[in-house]
Amino acid sequence: GAVVSQHPSWVICKSGTSVKIECRSLDFQATTMFWYRQFPKQSLMLMATSNEGSKATYEQGVEKDKFLINHASLTLSTLTVTSAHPEDSSFYICSAIGTSGSQETQYFGPGTRLLVL
Amino acid sequence: GESVGLHLPTLSVQEGDNSIINCAYSNSASDYFIWYKQESGKGPQFIIDIRSNMDKRQGQRVTVLLNKTVKHLSLQIAATQPGDSAVYFCAENYYGNQFYFGTGTSLTVIP
Repeated sequence: GAVVSQHPSWVICKSGTSVKIECRSLDFQATTMFWYRQFPKQSLMLMATSNEGSKATYEQGVEKDKFLINHASLTLSTLTVTSAHPEDSSFYICSAIGTSGSQETQYFGPGTRLLVL
Repeated sequence: GESVGLHLPTLSVQEGDNSIINCAYSNSASDYFIWYKQESGKGPQFIIDIRSNMDKRQGQRVTVLLNKTVKHLSLQIAATQPGDSAVYFCAENYYGNQFYFGTGTSLTVIP
C-alpha cells in the first residue's frame, strides 16, 4: 500500500512554456501532499504543501505565481511550472501522507525530471 | 526552514562491514524523524522512523539512534550490501505534516 505516482517521468520543454506535473496517490486518499525540488547532488527542498480543496501553503522564497499548485481531489495534486526557464530545470518530487499497515508516514513519488531548453 | 545541502558528503564501506551515517537536524522542536534512501533518478524510499520520545529504534538490518541533546541522528546499517549504495537523507518534522531534509550522505559499498 501507500503508492504515489508522478506523471510525466521526464519532460523537456522550451523556455517560456508551462509544464504541468501530476502527483497521484494510487491506493489511498491524501488530503495533504507535498512538492519538493532537488538539484543534482543536493538535498530535497520543500516547496509547498498542497491541501485538498484549499490553497497551497508555500515555503519562504518560493514564488506562488511561478509554481501553481492545485489539489482538486483526494488523490491528485498538480504542480504547474509557469513560463519555465532553464533555471527551473530540476527534479521535482511529490509526497503524500499515507498508511502502510499500522504506520502513517510520508511516501514519495518517483520524481519528474524537468529540462528547460 | 528547510536545510538545503551543498555537495553531498560521501562514505565508502566494504561489503559486509557496518555503516554509520550521521545527520544533524536543525530544530530542537522536531519530534518525528525519518531516514530515507534515494537511488539515482528515483524518489526517496522510507527506511525507518523514530519519534522524539525514543532514543533508539531497530528495523531489519538498520538501527536509528536519536540524541536530542545535541540534535543528532544516526543510521546504522549492519552487514552493508552493494544494494545499499545510495544517498541517505534524514528528515525532521516540527510543524504540521511538513518534513525538512538534511544534507544527505552518499554511501558507496565496495564489493
